[in-house]
Amino acid sequence: QVQLVESGGGVVQPGRSLRLSCAASGFTFSSHAMLWVRQGPGKGLEWVALISDDGSNEYYADSVKGRFTVSRDNSKNTLYLQMNSLTTEDTAVYFCARGGVGPIPIDYWGQGALVTVSS
Amino acid sequence: DIVMTQSPLSLSVTPGQPASISCKSSQSLLHSDGKTYVFWYLQKPGQSPQLLIYGASNRFSAVPDRFSGSGSGTTFTLKISRVEAEDVGVYYCMQSIQLPPTFGGGTKVEIK
Repeated sequence: QVQLVESGGGVVQPGRSLRLSCAASGFTFSSHAMLWVRQGPGKGLEWVALISDDGSNEYYADSVKGRFTVSRDNSKNTLYLQMNSLTTEDTAVYFCARGGVGPIPIDYWGQGALVTVSS
Repeated sequence: DIVMTQSPLSLSVTPGQPASISCKSSQSLLHSDGKTYVFWYLQKPGQSPQLLIYGASNRFSAVPDRFSGSGSGTTFTLKISRVEAEDVGVYYCMQSIQLPPTFGGGTKVEIK
């Protein structure tokens, strides 16, 4: 079955960096676009970034553009989110998910990784 | 960005009764390919979101048939024909016809 397992969350000071990883299994990772969606405390869902199946195209929300970088290693079935210059506004649970391009739904989600930005 | 507006914000439903959630988009979600790029998700308490409906009206695998989606253009509806206790949580609509994909603010469904 499809599994997405995030890791790398934690508490970080404003201005510092953090990298999230998402290990995928149960499907052909290299055939699917992947994305990150976040959810601030008590808030709704916010799309963060998307990467195409072969990694050649990346898209970002304006709120993270220039600070976050999404990447993937298809040989390791792993998705990454490098987060730099973090602010308190980035505090959220970050979900790794599959799909989300055009008519293709976001059909599977990980359990989420909590990132807390605090001094 | 396309704005997705859900109503109501919350819903308290007696088990076995129907429920309906509305989602309105600021632009048409009908693509030139004939498909409608709107989806519905349920986030149960303490869990990640799960896909219910894609393409406005297609149930995802293993989604009970008491869930149905309808609508076109800019107005969409998610209906639960008979609410069960396991249906509690926050329901979100989402569009992906245009980047960035955007979500509605969510509708919280509780059981009376």
